[in-house]
Amino acid sequence: GAVVSQHPSRVICKSGTSVKIECRSLDFQATTMFWYRQFPKQSLMLMATSNEGSKATYEQGVEKDKFLINHASLTLSTLTVTSAHPEDSSFYICSARRTGPAKDRALHFGNGTRLTVT
Amino acid sequence: AQSVTQLDSHVSVSEGTPVLLRCNYSSSYSPSLFWYVQHPNKGLQLLLKYTSAATLVKGINGFEAEFKKSETSFHLTKPSAHMSDAAEYFCVVSDRNSGNTPLVFGKGTRLSVIA
Repeated sequence: GAVVSQHPSRVICKSGTSVKIECRSLDFQATTMFWYRQFPKQSLMLMATSNEGSKATYEQGVEKDKFLINHASLTLSTLTVTSAHPEDSSFYICSARRTGPAKDRALHFGNGTRLTVT
Repeated sequence: AQSVTQLDSHVSVSEGTPVLLRCNYSSSYSPSLFWYVQHPNKGLQLLLKYTSAATLVKGINGFEAEFKKSETSFHLTKPSAHMSDAAEYFCVVSDRNSGNTPLVFGKGTRLSVIA
């Protein structure tokens, strides 16, 4: 089955520093990846859509200068949280959609990254 | 526009009894529908999906769901709950014909299984 690898799974950083999270599709190519944020006991909120070779599309209310997304290849997207603050502490999950027929278009998710900013 | 309503935020069942997690959707397009499960501090695992074929969809771990267009529902069921089924479940809708639109998530239903 399709595998999406997300790294790191857990990171603790000091306020003001930047953190990079990687999302890789291991056995398929993904021209589009999605970044979600999940607060405790809540659903996933879409942050941005990452498109290979072009700029990401951010959802309303998401600061693009704070959450930098790069999708440099068909198998890798990165999310960088710049100048992190405690309110950025959250669970971040990436996902990738296998291209092809509609029957195969389920999103496959990484295992998430627990970010704690102290 | 698309939306998903999970009617119960929390469902509690005894081990060995049936599970029913309810989901209603709204979509302007032909929808694809999914159920995902999330264990604590983990990513999401696809349980099953409906994309236009059989309306009764069988998934992993004994789960199944039935697409009912007349009721705009896609309820998730399992005949007999196991302790390992305790987790958060998300019903999700997507536009079937668009490859790059993201999924729209329901708020989730937390399933507790009592021994």
